[in-house]
Amino acid sequence: DIQMTQSPSTLSASVGDRVTITCRSSQSVNDRLAWYQQRPGKAPKNLIYKASSLKSGVPSRFSGSGSGTEFSLTINSLQPDDFATYYCQQYNDYPWTFGQGTKVETK
Amino acid sequence: EVQLVQSGEEVKKPGESLRISCQTSGYTFAAYWIGWVRQMPGKGLEWMGIIYPGDSHTRYSPSFEGQVTFSTDNSISAAYVQWSSLKASDTAMYYCARPIIIEGTTPGAYDIWGQGTMVTVSS
Repeated sequence: DIQMTQSPSTLSASVGDRVTITCRSSQSVNDRLAWYQQRPGKAPKNLIYKASSLKSGVPSRFSGSGSGTEFSLTINSLQPDDFATYYCQQYNDYPWTFGQGTKVETK
Repeated sequence: EVQLVQSGEEVKKPGESLRISCQTSGYTFAAYWIGWVRQMPGKGLEWMGIIYPGDSHTRYSPSFEGQVTFSTDNSISAAYVQWSSLKASDTAMYYCARPIIIEGTTPGAYDIWGQGTMVTVSS
């Protein structure tokens, strides 16, 4: 199985901050990498697909980059709604796998 | 509007069987894969597997192979996951999700999610 490792596990930030979450895969997943946001008690929501493509309707302060084994999700100017847990997921090889999650909390 | 609506919360005893559902609407059911994701209390997302209603082709995560069974009823555009003998460790929130199509019938990122079904297994 491809292992997905996110860092950091927890990130403390303030409204207006620029934050970056990193996701590394144990082998290349090409660009078949998605990012999801999950708020407490809610279903996950897709933000980014194909490593850097922003899903329609997602605010442009979210961006993704990377390919191969190293990826990142950046949130420019963090908003109150953005305090949540973020997951990366590879869909290049079965079984698909998720990272362990990064919780963005209030500093 | 594409929607995935899951069945309600379940409370079961160890050893009991269970089937939960994911009722879809707003798109051609047979043309899109449906995936299942587990989230144990306070934990992260785990990929369980995926089924293609068009031909019932299924891929299970090794962690779930033999533990659960995916199925669909194309006549009513619904997907299911079932357990024949529940364990306490099956206590979790279960999500269904529909991926985008990358090309042909190849699934991609999970685009649309159900609201989740909480399953509690306790004696």
